[in-house]
Amino acid sequence: ETGVTQTPRHLVMGMTNKKSLKCEQHLGHNAMYWYKQSAKKPLELMFVYNFKEQTENNSVPSRFSPECPNSSHLFLHLHTLQPEDSALYLCASSQDGSVSELFFGEGSRLTVL
Amino acid sequence: RKEVEQDPGPFNVPEGATVAFNCTYSNSASQSFFWYRQDCRKEPKLLMSVYSSGNEDGRFTAQLNRASQYISLLIRDSKLSDSATYLCVVSPSGNNRKLIWGLGTSLAVNP
Repeated sequence: ETGVTQTPRHLVMGMTNKKSLKCEQHLGHNAMYWYKQSAKKPLELMFVYNFKEQTENNSVPSRFSPECPNSSHLFLHLHTLQPEDSALYLCASSQDGSVSELFFGEGSRLTVL
Repeated sequence: RKEVEQDPGPFNVPEGATVAFNCTYSNSASQSFFWYRQDCRKEPKLLMSVYSSGNEDGRFTAQLNRASQYISLLIRDSKLSDSATYLCVVSPSGNNRKLIWGLGTSLAVNP
C-alpha cells in the first residue's frame, strides 16, 4: 500500500476534453510534486508545492494547471492537451521540500487522442 | 553531453551473477547522488543514496568517483526480483531541491 495514491490510474481523453488528475499523500509530508515520464526521456519535473505554495513551475505549458488545496492533496487540471502530452504523470511527496527521498504514487497513465 | 548519462541496457544476467552499472554526470559541483529502482509499470522508489565514502546495503553497493564524475551500483548474487530499471539521480550543487534524472538502466535477471 503506497503512501501516495493517484487517481485515475489510466485516462484517455480527446484534445478538447477537460480532466483532472488527483494525488493524495498520507505521509505527513509538506512538499508535493508533479513529474512527467515519457518513453525514452528522463523524468521531467513539472511543478513543486511546498506548504501549499507553488515554488517551482518548470516552464510547463498553461494547458496544465496545478492546484494544491492543502499539504496532502495535489491536482493537475488538464485542458486542450496535445497527443505529445501522452505520458505517465507521477505525483511525489517529500518532507520539508528536501529531495533526499521522494515518495512516488503509482502514476496516472494519460493517453491523448 | 547529457547531464546524467546511463547505459540503457538491457543487461541480461543469470541468477546469482554480479552486475554493475555506471552513471556519469556532467556537473562537477554536484553534491547529492541517488539510485532509484523502477519496476515495470510501477513508480520509482529510492534504492539508496550514494555517499562519498561509498555505502553498502545488503547485496547492493554504491560508490562515487568525483574525479571521473561517475557513480556506480553493484548488485551481488542477483535475484529474479532484482529485474527492474535502475535510475541514476543527481542533485546539483547547493540545491537539494532539484534532481536531474538519468534515463535508467534496464536489468533482467534470468532463471
